[in-house]
Amino acid sequence: DQQVKQNSPSLSVQEGRISILNCDYTNSMFDYFLWYKKYPAEGPTFLISISSIKDKNEDGRFTVFLNKSAKHLSLHIVPSQPGDSAVYFCAASANVYSGGGADGLTFGKGTHLIIQP
Amino acid sequence: DTGVSQNPRHKITKRGQNVTFRCDPISEHNRLYWYRQTLGQGPEFLTYFQNEAQLEKSRLLSDRFSAERPKGSFSTLEIQRTEQGDSAMYLCASSVSGTGGSPLHFGNGTRLTVT
Repeated sequence: DQQVKQNSPSLSVQEGRISILNCDYTNSMFDYFLWYKKYPAEGPTFLISISSIKDKNEDGRFTVFLNKSAKHLSLHIVPSQPGDSAVYFCAASANVYSGGGADGLTFGKGTHLIIQP
Repeated sequence: DTGVSQNPRHKITKRGQNVTFRCDPISEHNRLYWYRQTLGQGPEFLTYFQNEAQLEKSRLLSDRFSAERPKGSFSTLEIQRTEQGDSAMYLCASSVSGTGGSPLHFGNGTRLTVT
């Protein structure tokens, strides 16, 4: 049973527009959420995180929104740039104080973002 | 750059052989994790160390898999009697324990192909 779901395997966005990547989760014990970006032949790179006490966290062009009642989070990238083309993974942890410690992080299957010129 | 380092980057082995991978975490990180990623899937948690103690093992980690972290520094992951289903990318990550959460920093992985 997938506890973290990314229902869009791929997403194509024009350069300069907003990219919105979505993630749903089922485990109400999750209290810390992260987005990772992955290029081919590289490991995932941490992008941005949010704890369950917040509903928004912003870092430059990246903003993560959390809707706890809907068990939904989204990553907004604006403006989208060619270098943003990658696979984006949503991940969740059940213990904010361990940052994904005891149980590790639970990842979704990823969304392949393609930025078109 | 003092990021997480994994060796080798690629390993091809025949079914039934043993393989060992090494991970060198970021030096000040006391937590070390092993994950496995197969095509079309996100990384799946295998096991986790805090310093030299192995604190958690996923049920994905069969008896053929063993991980060590002597002296709380580098870690090794050994797979005995490899099977074709073991073919995957093996990722190592490290982090710092403490309050407020700490993101995992991943290495570039070891890609294992079992023929």
